[in-house]
Amino acid sequence: GENVEQHPSTLSVQEGDSAVIKCTYSDSASNYFPWYKQELGKRPQLIIDIRSNVGEKKDQRIAVTLNKTAKHFSLHITETQPEDSAVYFCAASKADSNYQLIWGAGTKLIIKP
Amino acid sequence: GAVVSQHPSRVICKSGTSVKIECRSLDFQATTMFWYRQFPKQSLMLMATSNEGSKATYEQGVEKDKFLINHASLTLSTLTVTSAHPEDSSFYICSARDTRVSYNSPLHFGNGTRLTVT
Repeated sequence: GENVEQHPSTLSVQEGDSAVIKCTYSDSASNYFPWYKQELGKRPQLIIDIRSNVGEKKDQRIAVTLNKTAKHFSLHITETQPEDSAVYFCAASKADSNYQLIWGAGTKLIIKP
Repeated sequence: GAVVSQHPSRVICKSGTSVKIECRSLDFQATTMFWYRQFPKQSLMLMATSNEGSKATYEQGVEKDKFLINHASLTLSTLTVTSAHPEDSSFYICSARDTRVSYNSPLHFGNGTRLTVT
């Protein structure tokens, strides 16, 4: 079955710098890759997603890139702000699994003032 | 956008009692809802997939008699933790997707329920 690995587990960056979180997946049939942000004690919230027919997607300071050949996708946050501090989860899914999400282990992003 | 409402947000119960958690899709119908459990500083662990009008599908290692799931309508799924014990203390989150958009539309999460069993 699908396996999603996420790195790093913790990332500390200076406010204003960029942050990059990487995920790899094992099942080449996976075709949907969302990223969720979870603040402490709260629900995960979708921040950006990408489908396998696209290589990159951007939404203001957030971007996601997908390399289907290498089976990895990355989250890029530019000009980081204190409110970006949270745990970020990547996930992968495919049609024949009823689009059940397979989750990465999460990355705790710390923005240093 | 799609909204998923989950209640209660926090519950404290005594060991041996049962607790019911409700998950509602407020502005869309959800034939399928997902129940997750999350331990501190860990990822989301899928417990079961709730299917409207049929039995839930449980993940390996999840006791179906312990975690009863009922999906009686297109907008409501419930998770009942039966005979709760301290080790059942956790953060439980439900989610659903609006399949009117597509079967591959984003998952929307409830606010979660913090269960503490004393």
